[in-house]
Amino acid sequence: GQNIDQPTEMTATEGAIVQINCTYQTSGFNGLFWYQQHAGEAPTFLSYNVLDGLEEKGRFSSFLSRSKGYSYLLLKELQMKDSASYLCAPMDSNYQLIWGAGTKLIIKP
Amino acid sequence: SQTIHQWPATLVQPVGSPLSLECTVEGTSNPNLYWYRQAAGRGLQLLFYSVGIGQISSEVPQNLSASRPQDRQFILSSKKLLLSDSGFYLCAWSYGDRDTGELFFGEGSRLTVL
Repeated sequence: GQNIDQPTEMTATEGAIVQINCTYQTSGFNGLFWYQQHAGEAPTFLSYNVLDGLEEKGRFSSFLSRSKGYSYLLLKELQMKDSASYLCAPMDSNYQLIWGAGTKLIIKP
Repeated sequence: SQTIHQWPATLVQPVGSPLSLECTVEGTSNPNLYWYRQAAGRGLQLLFYSVGIGQISSEVPQNLSASRPQDRQFILSSKKLLLSDSGFYLCAWSYGDRDTGELFFGEGSRLTVL
């Protein structure tokens, strides 16, 4: 079966760094997406990894290891507006996204 | 630029009543279209997707249906709502001619069935 595993909730301090981990099992693999979703709103695209390694985009970076079925999202210089859920979504052999329940990130001053 | 709109944003419906949610995409042609449902604290559940007019694939057996009467219009319907249909419904599109899979979401429709 297909499965996504990420922590339910994490807490971090404003200005700090946080890493959100995701492990996955899918039928085939065509890349992995990270989305941000603020409460009551639609998800918005953050990053896409298809090859192993680190992709950096401003304060956000995403890492992928295909052999380990593992990805993480790294958020630096945390701001209060980063309080949201972060969704890990690998794409299977049919190019369909498989969604985890997401990690709710709480930022404290 | 491409935009996606869905409506209504919020609705409260009694059990057994019908449902119609509408979604339109502007600024692109032949998009792939999707309907997702998100229950509280749960992941996104794919309900329907469409690769073209009149072509609908259903992922989950349920009392919901979808239609695509025009290239950039996607409608989610039900004849009789159940309590379990409550949730946050999201319409999304992706480029039909690419396999990157990136999804662009509408604003969402929050449905409460009482």
